[in-house]
Amino acid sequence: DAMVIQNPRYQVTQFGKPVTLSCSQTLNHNVMYWYQQKSSQAPKLLFHYYDKDFNNEADTPDNFQSRRPNTSFCFLDIRSPGLGDAAMYLCATSREGVSGYTFGSGTRLTVV
Amino acid sequence: KNEVEQSPQNLTAQEGEFITINCSYSVGISALHWLQQHPGGGIVSLFMLSSGKKKHGRLIATINIQEKHSSLHITASHPRDSAVYICAVSRGNEKLTFGTGTRLTIIP
Repeated sequence: DAMVIQNPRYQVTQFGKPVTLSCSQTLNHNVMYWYQQKSSQAPKLLFHYYDKDFNNEADTPDNFQSRRPNTSFCFLDIRSPGLGDAAMYLCATSREGVSGYTFGSGTRLTVV
Repeated sequence: KNEVEQSPQNLTAQEGEFITINCSYSVGISALHWLQQHPGGGIVSLFMLSSGKKKHGRLIATINIQEKHSSLHITASHPRDSAVYICAVSRGNEKLTFGTGTRLTIIP
C-alpha cells in the first residue's frame, strides 16, 4: 500500500546530541511537511518542501534543519536537542492542489 | 480567537450513541479536513471536504461553506472510535491550520 513511513517510531536522545528523524513516502507526492506536536497541543508546522523548494516557518528554531535528497525521502535534523524539543514529530505529504494529506505514524522523541 | 474552533473539547458517550463534533472557521478556505489521532499515535486523514457531504463507513462529514461550519458524525459509536478528532483547514498554499481537537471517549 502507498504510504508515509517514519523511522524510528520512538527515539531517545541525549541532551545536546544531534538526532535525525526520517520520513519516506511511496505516494509520489510533491509536498512534504514536518510538524512538531507537544502533549495535548495541535501540531505545529516546522517547515515544508514543494518539490525541492524548502519553506521554513518564521518561528522554527535554527536548531531544526531539514533535507530532502529526493521525492521519496525527507529528514529532520535536530542539531542540539534540548528538553523542550521532546515531542511527537509528524511527517505528512500532499500533492499540491489535488489530494488531501497523508500522515506518517510519527516519531516520539524523548530527550534525556 | 483561533481561526478554527471545535466543540465540544471533550465528549464522553455510551457505545452505540450517535456522535456529532462541530467545527467553525473564520477564514476563506480551499478545503476542510477531518483527522483522527489515537493516544500516542500518528494522525489519520478521515475526510477532505470542499462542499457538501462525504460518507465512509460509520463516519459522515458535512460542510456548509456559507456558514463556515462543518460537522463530523459517527453512527453506532464503538470504543475503538475513542480518539482525538481534529478539524483543520487549508487555504490554497496547502498548509493546514488546526483546530484544538475534540477528545472522544466511548464507554462500552
